[in-house]
Amino acid sequence: DTTVKQNPRYKLARVGKPVNLICSQTMNHDTMYWYQKKPNQAPKLLLFYYDKILNREADTFEKFQSSRPNNSFCSLYIGSAGLEYSAMYLCASSRGQGASAETLYFGSGTRLTVL
Amino acid sequence: SQWGEENLQALSIQEGEDVTMNCSYKTYTTVVQWYRQKSGKGPAQLILIRSNEREKRSGRLRATLDTSSQSSSLSITGTLATDTAVYFCATDASSGSWQLIFGSGTQLTVMP
Repeated sequence: DTTVKQNPRYKLARVGKPVNLICSQTMNHDTMYWYQKKPNQAPKLLLFYYDKILNREADTFEKFQSSRPNNSFCSLYIGSAGLEYSAMYLCASSRGQGASAETLYFGSGTRLTVL
Repeated sequence: SQWGEENLQALSIQEGEDVTMNCSYKTYTTVVQWYRQKSGKGPAQLILIRSNEREKRSGRLRATLDTSSQSSSLSITGTLATDTAVYFCATDASSGSWQLIFGSGTQLTVMP
C-alpha cells in the first residue's frame, strides 16, 4: 500500500488565524516532506523530516512549523495565515534520506484558501 | 533557481500522437526524476534517470538525460486521453539539503 493521506482536502482560513494540516503514511518511510504548490508554479519544498530531525528551507524558515509525533504522522503548522499562504499543500514520503535518489509518494493535497 | 525555464509550458495534441517534453537545469545533478500530476491528485513518479544513464524506458515513456547540455526530456509515444496531466521534471539541487526540486512543469492536454 503506497498511500499518503492528507486531511482535510479543502480548508478555509481567516487572515491572522492559525492553520494545521495533517498527513499520514503507512509505508514506514523515514522521510516526510511538505511542498507548497501555487497555480502554474513548481511545487516548492517547505520542509522535511528525516526520522525525528526537522529540516526547513531557508526562505520559509520562519513561516512554517511542523511536528512528527510518530513515524506515520506529520503536520504542517502556520501560526498566522496571510493571503499569500493560499495554495495547495502536498505531503510526500520516501523510504530513505536524500530524495534525489528516492521515489517520493505524494498525497492528493490540501487546498488552503485564506480569506 | 535550478531551472532554465520558469513558466508552465502548455501542449495540446491529438490522441495517438507522440510528444516530447523538455527540461533544462542550471547546476550539477546526480539524478532527474519525472512526475505526472493528474487533476485532483498528487504527483506520481514516472521515471528516475541517473547521471550515468543516457536513456531510460518504461512502457510508452522514454526519458533522456544529457549532462553535457544539462537537459532532460520525456517522450510519450501513442498518447492517450488519459495522459492528460501536468508533467514535472525534478532534480536534486545544490541547496545543501539534496532534496528534490521541481521545475514548473508542462501541461499536456491530449484530445480524444
